[in-house]
Amino acid sequence: AQTVTQSQPEMSVQEAETVTLSCTYDTSESDYYLFWYKQPPSRQMILVIRQEAYKQQNATENRFSVNFQKAAKSFSLKISDSQLGDAAMYFCAYRSARIGNSGGSNYKLTFGKGTLLTVNP
Amino acid sequence: DTGVSQNPRHKITKRGQNVTFRCDPISEHNRLYWYRQTLGQGPEFLTYFQNEAQLEKSRLLSDRFSAERPKGSFSTLEIQRTEQGDSAMYLCASSFGRQGWFYTQYFGPGTRLTVL
Repeated sequence: AQTVTQSQPEMSVQEAETVTLSCTYDTSESDYYLFWYKQPPSRQMILVIRQEAYKQQNATENRFSVNFQKAAKSFSLKISDSQLGDAAMYFCAYRSARIGNSGGSNYKLTFGKGTLLTVNP
Repeated sequence: DTGVSQNPRHKITKRGQNVTFRCDPISEHNRLYWYRQTLGQGPEFLTYFQNEAQLEKSRLLSDRFSAERPKGSFSTLEIQRTEQGDSAMYLCASSFGRQGWFYTQYFGPGTRLTVL
């Protein structure tokens, strides 16, 4: 079974500064997807960025980028020019890319415990 | 695209009562997922539908839990004889899927259940 570990329960950053959230995972599979989701207080979870394991190039979405180290099974999220609206719980998640007979278990997301990010003005 | 909606947003019940939650996915999304999120934890997978077929259930889904997705549209999650350990946020997500292709799971706002 795959596991996802976020070792930083809480992080804080000054507005306009850069912060990096850590995530490691354990899997025996070679093909998979990794995600960072953001869950603002009392609001629904939204996808921040995703990375396909077969791609060597790190994904980037505006101020959000990842450092994907496949051999080390590490997937960190860097937030540049932090804004007050970035304050939220951030979850790292894993999804297998394997196609099974039923197509069922391959599509569920396995999440870490989350990192609570505070942005200080 | 109106997003995934869930009702009710909050539910308080007494131990032993039955509760039912509803999830309306994004229209034309053929896949629907239920997750449970307890305080201080990430969401945990409960079950998954492709159209109206329930294709997988987690071991977290005891016999007191049942989920349906009639006609492949909205889904309901029922918990019978609720226990205090059932208190959690129940999240629904939907996606459009085709074999060999990946589509993002979009989450609803969740239903927060409190069992007294």
